[in-house]
Amino acid sequence: AQSVTQLDSQVPVFEEAPVELRCNYSSSVSVYLFWYVQYPNQGLQLLLKYLSGSTLVKGINGFEAEFNKSQTSFHLRKPSVHISDTAEYFCAVKKGYGQNFVFGPGTRLSVLP
Amino acid sequence: SQTIHQWPATLVQPVGSPLSLECTVEGTSNPNLYWYRQAAGRGLQLLFYSVGIGQISSEVPQNLSASRPQDRQFILSSKKLLLSDSGFYLCAWSRVNSPLHFGNGTRLTVT
Repeated sequence: AQSVTQLDSQVPVFEEAPVELRCNYSSSVSVYLFWYVQYPNQGLQLLLKYLSGSTLVKGINGFEAEFNKSQTSFHLRKPSVHISDTAEYFCAVKKGYGQNFVFGPGTRLSVLP
Repeated sequence: SQTIHQWPATLVQPVGSPLSLECTVEGTSNPNLYWYRQAAGRGLQLLFYSVGIGQISSEVPQNLSASRPQDRQFILSSKKLLLSDSGFYLCAWSRVNSPLHFGNGTRLTVT
């Protein structure tokens, strides 16, 4: 079965510092990859997606992610975080031919002043 | 543009009472529809998904059921709520080769 790993459950970082949130998935077939952000008591908002093409994907709010097929990873990065980036971040995978999206357990990013 | 509506935003129900959460999508036709549950401090658990009217796939056997009476309407129900049904319920839609788009969620507290 498809699985998604987010090794870091919590990531504290100071404002204006860079951050990387890690995501690894298990699949030997073609997949689509996504990062979502969730603010308290809200639904999930799409940050970025990889469907095909360039392995470096740019999203909203200055985030970007790089698809690495050999390492089955899709890590999320931002060069300089803001207080407003404090939220829960979820990595998700969907098989190219399937209907199901599988989510990782989430990483709570806390940006400190 | 497409929008997804989910209501109510919060709900407090006693154990043993019925449940009905509704979700509607506007601006698209024949979407795939999903119900997820998010327990406190945990990730998302897929409960049901539907690829068409009357077509429901259940991912986890439990005290809940889902129905899709119309193309863009997805309903989550229970005949008798349990304490363990408490959580944050999220409806979402997608099309082929597109991301999931989520509603704002319903916070359900079973007392």
